[in-house]
Amino acid sequence: KNEVEQSPQNLTAQEGEFITINCSYSVGISALHWLQQHPGGGIVSLFMLSSGKKKHGRLIATINIQEKHSSLHITASHPRDSAVYICAVNTGTASKLTFGTGTRLQVTL
Amino acid sequence: NAGVMQNPRHLVRRRGQEARLRCSPMKGHSHVYWYRQLPEEGLKFMVYLQKENIIDESGMPKERFSAEFPKEGPSILRIQQVVRGDSAAYFCASSPVQRSNYGYTFGSGTRLTVV
Repeated sequence: KNEVEQSPQNLTAQEGEFITINCSYSVGISALHWLQQHPGGGIVSLFMLSSGKKKHGRLIATINIQEKHSSLHITASHPRDSAVYICAVNTGTASKLTFGTGTRLQVTL
Repeated sequence: NAGVMQNPRHLVRRRGQEARLRCSPMKGHSHVYWYRQLPEEGLKFMVYLQKENIIDESGMPKERFSAEFPKEGPSILRIQQVVRGDSAAYFCASSPVQRSNYGYTFGSGTRLTVV
């Protein structure tokens, strides 16, 4: 079993829909990250969380430390949001990241 | 202020050749991480370096792979005698301090194809 699990693996939505991507982890962490990767492209860091909630534009990330769960929400989705969204954690005191397998999102017109 | 620069973006090597991947961290960042993304798989940690030091190489294959981050110049990931299974995207990330509260900045990756 992976230390970091994401769901769903694939997600198709229509433009304007509210999207939720989930991440669960099974180890103690010091921080959780949400990353975005466009096809053939680089990786962009969206959020780093250790507690609570963060918002940036149409993106919202939440984390529940007790339940070892985080969600990434996208409001008013747009085709340009189509990408792979990756959850990653710093386990314990480690500086390196441990990654989930990603959620492939496609937003259609 | 340029971000993390990786080059080359694409690299094709024949089996048995050497591959050298370069990563210049963001200005002011002295911590560098290398990750590998195999086709249709998630990202996996390879190595964590500070200037002139390897801090954690627990994800590096035991043979053919090495990494360095010299006092001057970029970090280099070196793969000797490449095999088809080395074909992957290799990403570098940097941070200003260990376990930065500011997160990590990633490069655009180097796509290695071994033919």
